[in-house]
Amino acid sequence: QKEVEQDPGPLSVPEGAIVSLNCTYSNSAFQYFMWYRQYSRKGPELLMYTYSSGNKEDGRFTAQVDKSSKYISLFIRDSQPSDSATYLCAMSGKGGSYIPTFGRGTSLIVHP
Amino acid sequence: GAGVSQSPRYKVTKRGQDVALRCDPISGHVSLYWYRQALGQGPEFLTYFNYEAQQDKSGLPNDRFSAERPEGSISTLTIQRTEQRDSAMYRCASSSGTSANTGELFFGEGSRLTVL
Repeated sequence: QKEVEQDPGPLSVPEGAIVSLNCTYSNSAFQYFMWYRQYSRKGPELLMYTYSSGNKEDGRFTAQVDKSSKYISLFIRDSQPSDSATYLCAMSGKGGSYIPTFGRGTSLIVHP
Repeated sequence: GAGVSQSPRYKVTKRGQDVALRCDPISGHVSLYWYRQALGQGPEFLTYFNYEAQQDKSGLPNDRFSAERPEGSISTLTIQRTEQRDSAMYRCASSSGTSANTGELFFGEGSRLTVL
């Protein structure tokens, strides 16, 4: 079993839909939780960062962390075709290390 | 430069040959990471440098893989006696001292290695 599990999708939604992306993890020592977005043929870019449990909102994006369930989510409101990309969850902080451990990514397709 | 630069972008080699992949991080970034990303997978950690010191190499698959960052800037990942299973996208990332705490790694566009 991998430390970070993420459904690869693809997830296909119509423009304007609310998208929910999720990851589960097994190591309770993780403290920092991130979402990266990766467009085709590009490197990942940081989208959201949260520390410990709770919610964080940035525009149309909301990141949610539930440490008791070892479950993190990313919600995208009013999804746009330009949101079509692979979304990678990542986490760090176990043993004092800031090196992120990534999930395999979920491919999202937003069609007009 | 403006971003993390990697070269070559594409490398095709024959099994058994050695390859060297280069990474030029964002100017001033003290931390440098190497990841490997297979198609349809997330980045898999290989090794990490803080300045010129290799702080963590626990992700290197075997002793055919090595990395260096002799002057704390440019880094080279070397794969000796390449095998077909080494074929993947090799990604370099860098971060500043503070961005490392927020998980913000800046990735390059990668070097795609194909071993025939």
